[in-house]
Amino acid sequence: GNSVTQMEGPVTLSEEAFLTINCTYTATGYPSLFWYVQYPGEGLQLLLKATKADDKGSNKGFEATYRKETTSFHLEKGSVQVSDSAVYFCALHYSGNTPLVFGKGTRLSVIA
Amino acid sequence: SQTIHQWPATLVQPVGSPLSLECTVEGTSNPNLYWYRQAAGRGLQLLFYSVGIGQISSEVPQNLSASRPQDRQFILSSKKLLLSDSGFYLCAWRASGFSYEQYFGPGTRLTVT
Repeated sequence: GNSVTQMEGPVTLSEEAFLTINCTYTATGYPSLFWYVQYPGEGLQLLLKATKADDKGSNKGFEATYRKETTSFHLEKGSVQVSDSAVYFCALHYSGNTPLVFGKGTRLSVIA
Repeated sequence: SQTIHQWPATLVQPVGSPLSLECTVEGTSNPNLYWYRQAAGRGLQLLFYSVGIGQISSEVPQNLSASRPQDRQFILSSKKLLLSDSGFYLCAWRASGFSYEQYFGPGTRLTVT
């Protein structure tokens, strides 16, 4: 079936460190891929997306590249800030009106 | 622009009491609508989704139900709450057509005591 696997958290980094959160997927066809961010006590916000192979989504210094050959969509940021502390969800859409398939989320804590 | 509202923001209810959570979307027509639940420290669990008025798909068999009485209104209900119903409830919408991203509301924190 269709699924998303994210690296286990929590991830703890010092401010200005490089961030990678791994995401791999299993899907039929050619899914669209998304990263969402959830700050404490809030709903999810769309962070970035990519709709076809080799597309790079980017927003607020975060980037992710759709890699069909490795079925991956890893989230990266060159220099994290304390304000990036949140839970990050990878998701895919594979067909028509079906809902997004979400990973389990990765909690990121950035310390000053 | 489109906005999504959820209320109430927080709710404390005793076991066995009824529940009604409401979600409305503004600025779009015929959206797909979704209800999710997050238990403390856990991921998202899809509860229901709807692609049109009166069309509800249930993902998880439990004591919750959903209704869509109007195009942009989605209601989550229960006749008798259980302790295990505690959690953070999120409503989301998606534009009909070929845009697949979902947009989430601010959520309702439900505590069943």
